[in-house]
This record gives sequence, C-alpha cells and structure tokens, in this order.
Amino acid sequence: SQTIHQWPATLVQPVGSPLSLECTVEGTSNPNLYWYRQAAGRGLQLLFYSVGIGQISSEVPQNLSASRPQDRQFILSSKKLLLSDSGFYLCAWGLYTGELFFGEGSRLTVL
Amino acid sequence: TQLLEQSPQFLSIQEGENLTVYCNSSSVFSSLQWYRQEPGEGPVLLVTVVTGGEVKKLKRLTFQFGDARKDSSLHITAAQPGDTGLYLCAGGRAGSYQLTFGKGTKLSVIP
Repeated sequence: SQTIHQWPATLVQPVGSPLSLECTVEGTSNPNLYWYRQAAGRGLQLLFYSVGIGQISSEVPQNLSASRPQDRQFILSSKKLLLSDSGFYLCAWGLYTGELFFGEGSRLTVL
Repeated sequence: TQLLEQSPQFLSIQEGENLTVYCNSSSVFSSLQWYRQEPGEGPVLLVTVVTGGEVKKLKRLTFQFGDARKDSSLHITAAQPGDTGLYLCAGGRAGSYQLTFGKGTKLSVIP
C-alpha cells in the first residue's frame, strides 16, 4: 500500500532563516506530488505541484521554492523566511483521477 | 477563478442529531471529493463523486453530487463525537492536476 511521510512535524524558525520541508512517498511510481499551505480559516492553498522529476509548477509567486530530486521525493524550501510564511504545510500525492492523499502536515511558526 | 463555497462555516450539534453541509459553485466540475481533517493532521479522502445526481453512502454519511455537477452535499445521520472535524470539498476538472478546495465546514459534535 502507498504511504506518504513529511517532516519535520513542527518547526519554529526566526525571520530570515532558511527552510527545508521534506516529503517522501512509498508504494507508487511516478506520482503527482503537491505542496499546499493551510492558514486558519482559509482552506488549502496550492503552492507547487510536480508531475515528474525536475518538473515543478508554481501557483503562487512567493519566496518559497520546490524541488523534486527523485521520483518519490518532494522538497519545499525557502532561503529567507517571512512572518507571513507561518502556517500548516501539507504534502500530498495524487492519482490520475485527481484524488489526493495527504501527509501528516508540518506546522511552521516564523517568529 | 473557480470557487467552491461551503456552508455553514461552523456547526455545533448534539450527539444523535442529523446535519447537512453544502458545497456550491457556479462552475461545473468533472468530479467532486470530500475530505475530513482532524486538528494537526492532513485531510483524509472520504469519497469521490463523478456523475451528476450521484449518491454515495459511507455508513452514516451520504454524499450527493448535483445534477449539473456544480454542487454537492454531505448528510450525516445520528452524528457522533468521532465525526468532529473539518470537512472540505474539492472540485476537479478533466485534464487538470489541480483541485479547487472550499474553505471547509468545521463540525463539532457534543457528547
């Protein structure tokens, strides 16, 4: 069966520091991969998605970036965090039907 | 931009009561999914509906896709405290890797 893991689960970082959130999927090949951010009361905002190694589509211009160095690995990064980057970050993998399967989430607090 | 409006935003009911939450849009979707999210965790897929007028049942939960595929409803019979959570609807379009998410309905079932 397929599983998805992301880490770290909780992160507290100062403004201006770098960020790296990692996500890995097991049990499937060539999945579509997604990074979402969830702010309180605002639903899920799609940040990046990838349909293959090295293929990244960005939905929201910002100081975040994503990379897919391996088929089942998806990384969310920032060189310098802003206060507004605080939130709950979710990685997901998707079927061709559009259904999504989410990781456990990473809570980022920028101080 | 396609929008999915969910109502109500918040719902607090007593155990044993019935409830219905709604997901509406002015746009047509090829599929509509419902997810449940508990605090601090990622959303979990409950159901996908793809045919106008389709009704699916998952134990005490009944999901319906509108005839015009623009809206959906989720009905819970005899709610239990375990049903507490954030219910999100998400619409998909054929040929697109992206889902449009509503902001969710936060349900609290009081014992």
